Amino acid sequence: DAKTTQPNSMESNEEEPVHLPCNHSTISGTDYIHWYRQLPSQGPEYVIHGLTSNVNNRMASLAIAEDRKSSTLILHRATLRDAAVYYCILRHTGTASKLTFGTGTRLQVTL
Amino acid sequence: KAGVTQTPRYLIKTRGQQVTLSCSPISGHRSVSWYQQTPGQGLQFLFEYFSETQRNKGNFPGRFSGRQFSNSRSEMNVSTLELGDSALYLCASSQGTGRDTEAFFGQGTRLTVV
Repeated sequence: DAKTTQPNSMESNEEEPVHLPCNHSTISGTDYIHWYRQLPSQGPEYVIHGLTSNVNNRMASLAIAEDRKSSTLILHRATLRDAAVYYCILRHTGTASKLTFGTGTRLQVTL
Repeated sequence: KAGVTQTPRYLIKTRGQQVTLSCSPISGHRSVSWYQQTPGQGLQFLFEYFSETQRNKGNFPGRFSGRQFSNSRSEMNVSTLELGDSALYLCASSQGTGRDTEAFFGQGTRLTVV
């Protein structure tokens, strides 16, 4: 399975943008890039996903490199409620129903 | 619309016993997956069911089993419990199994084995 690499932790000030990077250099052409986050004491929550083009939704934006070997999750204005562990996941043909979680990035948001 | 419901939320069992956990997916969702989360191993995939058939299985011993009913509700069973089975067990439901499908997770069942 293609692997993703994320920084263990990041910090941000409230109301500032946050860019969470993810490397996936062995991604295959048909893999989708998904992001989930897990708030304390809760199950993971879907954030966004994309294939090749940049994507926006009400929660975040996903910027995908032209060669698809990396992507960046962008939270435009971090709030205290965004403090969570963020997981970058590749979904493959054949095993798409299985989410392979790495260690993720723990985002701390401070006032 | 109601989210994914897992019952019970908390459970304490004795080593050697067996346990059954339940998951009710979002209405209309036919895919249900189970995950185990521990501090040491993180989130690990257990198995996935779609239309009552197991489609994918993670690397767990045969003591871990599951099933899905015709209404898409799912149960997972762990027999001969070991201390290391203490974990948060999470269920996720999806409309389908495609690569662009969003998974919705429940709050989980916290199992403690003593």
